[in-house]
Amino acid sequence: QKEVEQNSGPLSVPEGAIASLNCTYSDRGSQSFFWYRQYSGKSPELIMSIYSNGDKEDGRFTAQLNKASQYVSLLIRDSQPSDSATYLCAVNGGYSTLTFGKGTMLLVSP
Amino acid sequence: DAGVTQSPTHLIKTRGQQVTLRCSPKSGHDTVSWYQQALGQGPQFIFQYYEEEERQRGNFPDRFSGHQFPNYSSELNVNALLLGDSALYLCASSRTEGVNEQFFGPGTRLTVL
Repeated sequence: QKEVEQNSGPLSVPEGAIASLNCTYSDRGSQSFFWYRQYSGKSPELIMSIYSNGDKEDGRFTAQLNKASQYVSLLIRDSQPSDSATYLCAVNGGYSTLTFGKGTMLLVSP
Repeated sequence: DAGVTQSPTHLIKTRGQQVTLRCSPKSGHDTVSWYQQALGQGPQFIFQYYEEEERQRGNFPDRFSGHQFPNYSSELNVNALLLGDSALYLCASSRTEGVNEQFFGPGTRLTVL
């Protein structure tokens, strides 16, 4: 059974701080990793994808992957109240099927 | 560039009924995956369609069935609805070749009474 684990939160950070979201996965053969943002009542929106060990930066977002530790993280710099949402970690399970964690709720206070 | 579209937005059914949900993929995408998201949970993979065939299936009973049409659009059918089928049903499209990122539609909120 492939599993993806996330802390459900909520993770509370003040505006302007760095938010750090973490995820571990069980399938050592996983090759593709994704972070989705989901606002309440809306569908998931892809914000980052990462395929190799190391860091990948896109604007205020940095995804980090450590396959040896089976660990993926998402850093959000200069957090804004509009970043308040649930962040879903997803791992490719073959043929582009995704296994999701339960998500971490992020609250950014002004 | 139109994104993934789904219909209807909301649906209310009673136990034992049948429901059909529809999805049109993003332009240029040929693969459609369906997910069920219960409240407070991450999406759960139902099945994936490519070349009009079911390519992968998650741990869902055969009350859940689907179809993909030649224009890559897809349907999800659920028979003999149970209260526990109440959820947000998400369609995601992707390309089989190249980068395998999946993009979600707005979802269909199904309520079973």
